Order: sequence, then C-alpha cells, then structure tokens
Amino acid sequence: DQQVKQNSPSLSVQEGRISILNCDYTNSMFDYFLWYKKYPAEGPTFLISISSIKDKNEDGRFTVFLNKSAKHLSLHIVPSQPGDSAVYFCAASSGYSTLTFGKGTMLLVSP
Amino acid sequence: NAGVTQTPKFRVLKTGQSMTLLCAQDMNHEYMYWYRQDPGMGLRLIHYSVGEGTTAKGEVPDGYNVSRLKKQNFLLGLESAAPSQTSVYFCASRESGLNTDTQYFGPGTRLTVL
Repeated sequence: DQQVKQNSPSLSVQEGRISILNCDYTNSMFDYFLWYKKYPAEGPTFLISISSIKDKNEDGRFTVFLNKSAKHLSLHIVPSQPGDSAVYFCAASSGYSTLTFGKGTMLLVSP
Repeated sequence: NAGVTQTPKFRVLKTGQSMTLLCAQDMNHEYMYWYRQDPGMGLRLIHYSVGEGTTAKGEVPDGYNVSRLKKQNFLLGLESAAPSQTSVYFCASRESGLNTDTQYFGPGTRLTVL
C-alpha cells in the first residue's frame, strides 16, 4: 500500500508561470514532509521541508503548503525557470526515522 | 567537504556474482541509508543504520546485506546477484537531531545484472 502518492507522473509549465506539484499521504502518523529534486544521473537534493505544526514554509521561489485534514501537501514554484526541469519527489517521516518517498513527478519548464 | 560519495559509479554483473557497494560520508552523520530507484517506483529503502555497528531492515531488504563498521562508511552487499537487482542505488546520510529529517544523497551507483 502506497503511503505517499504523487498522482501526476509529469507536469509541463511555461517559463515564468507557476508550477504546482501535489502529494497525498495516507499515514496520519507522518509529521515531517520534504521535497527533493533530482536531475538525471545525479542523486536527489533536498529542496524544502515542513513540519506538521506548520501549514506553510517558504524559501525563495519555493513554497510548500500542508493541509493536514486533507492529508495533502503541495510545492509551488514561482516563477518557474527552465533549470527547474527535474523529477520532484515528495517524502514523509514519522518520529524522525526513515523517509517514505512518492514515485515522483517530472517537471518540464519550457522557455 | 565531499559530502556523500559512492563507489563504484557503474557496474555490470552476471547472475550469481557478488559485489559490495561502498558509501562514505564526511559530515559525521550518525544515520545512513541505502535506497534503490527503479523506473516508476520512486526511492525504496533497502537497509539503514542509526549508528556505528547497527543496521536495520527497510522496505525491500531481501537479497542484500549491509555493514557499518565505521561511522563514515556504510557497505551494501549482494551475495548472489539477480536480474531483479538491476537498479540505481543511492546512499544517504543525516545527522541525528530531532529537528531535522533531511537526508543528503550520494550520486548513485548504476548496477546491471545480466
């Protein structure tokens, strides 16, 4: 049973517009959520995180929103840039132990 | 700081052969992890370690063994490789504080089992 779901395998956005990547989870014990970005032939790199005691965290062009009642989080990238084209993984943990990853969403930002 | 490094970057094995993947980190992190990434499957945890001399099973541990003899190194072994173990393997590490769960990943090892 998949505990972290990224239902959109891919997303295409024009440069300068907003990219919204979505993630749903089923385990109510998850209390920490992260987004990772991955380029081809490289390891995932940490992007942004949010604790369950918050509903929003912002870092430059990247904002993560958490809706605990809906068990849903989203990553907003504004404005999107061609260099943002990558696979984005949502991940969640409970008790600061191991991470459970979604299957990823491939974002393509076209000029 | 090199961060997390993995050796080798690529390897081709025949079914039944054995090999060891090496992960090294220079950030003095307590926790280390091994994942595999397959197309359409995301990252799945194989084994992890919460400190030197300790290991624990993850989501997909079968066919793999690990050892953490030194804090900075985490080894992943395949005793008898199978084609189903063809994958990209990532190592990660993180510090042990309660205020973060951020893991730092290595560049990956691409393994093909024929």
